[in-house]
Amino acid sequence: EILMTQSPATLSVSPGERATLSCRASQSVTSKLAWYQQKPGQAPRLLIYGASTRTTGIPARFSGSGSGTEFTLTISSLQSEDFAVYYCQQYNNWPRTFGQGTKVEIK
Amino acid sequence: QEQLQQSGPGLVKPSQTLSLTCAISGDSVSSNRASWNWIRQSPSRGLEWLGRTYYRSKWYYDYTPSVSSRITIDADTSKNQFSLQLNSVTPEDTAVYYCARSGHIEETYDYWGQGTLVTVSS
Repeated sequence: EILMTQSPATLSVSPGERATLSCRASQSVTSKLAWYQQKPGQAPRLLIYGASTRTTGIPARFSGSGSGTEFTLTISSLQSEDFAVYYCQQYNNWPRTFGQGTKVEIK
Repeated sequence: QEQLQQSGPGLVKPSQTLSLTCAISGDSVSSNRASWNWIRQSPSRGLEWLGRTYYRSKWYYDYTPSVSSRITIDADTSKNQFSLQLNSVTPEDTAVYYCARSGHIEETYDYWGQGTLVTVSS
């Protein structure tokens, strides 16, 4: 089973600032990496797949990069609605596995 | 517009069976493109994929090893829904359970149910 490790656990950012979230896989997942956003009481929402492709309706301030074992989600200018928990997930191997999440909170 | 609507009890006694259903609208459980998944989330285990069913001329089932001896996922084509049964539950199975679709955006989960908090307690 591939272990997905996210850092940091919590990121304190002021509105308008940039947020950089990291995700590391215990072995290569090629580019089969997705990012999800979860707000309290809601299901996760798919933001990015294929490590760098935004899904329909996701603002351009969200960008993903990386391949193999190292991945990054960048939110270029945080808006109030972006404060949430973000999860990475690999879909290169079975079972599919998620990271433990990074909480982006208001500084 | 695709929607997944979950139903089932929120409280299950230890050693009993957890049963949840996910009703699909806007897609078909028999789709040759989609897979239908169950995922749970708890503070101790995080997000954990449990298993899936999908139809490709016949029905297939995949389960995560940690629960494979206790889990059954089934599809009901007449009601366009799929279900989760988890046997012999313990308090460690307490979690929010989600159904989710995959297969339309690579193998990511693009549509999710609303989630059901299931508490295992006597």
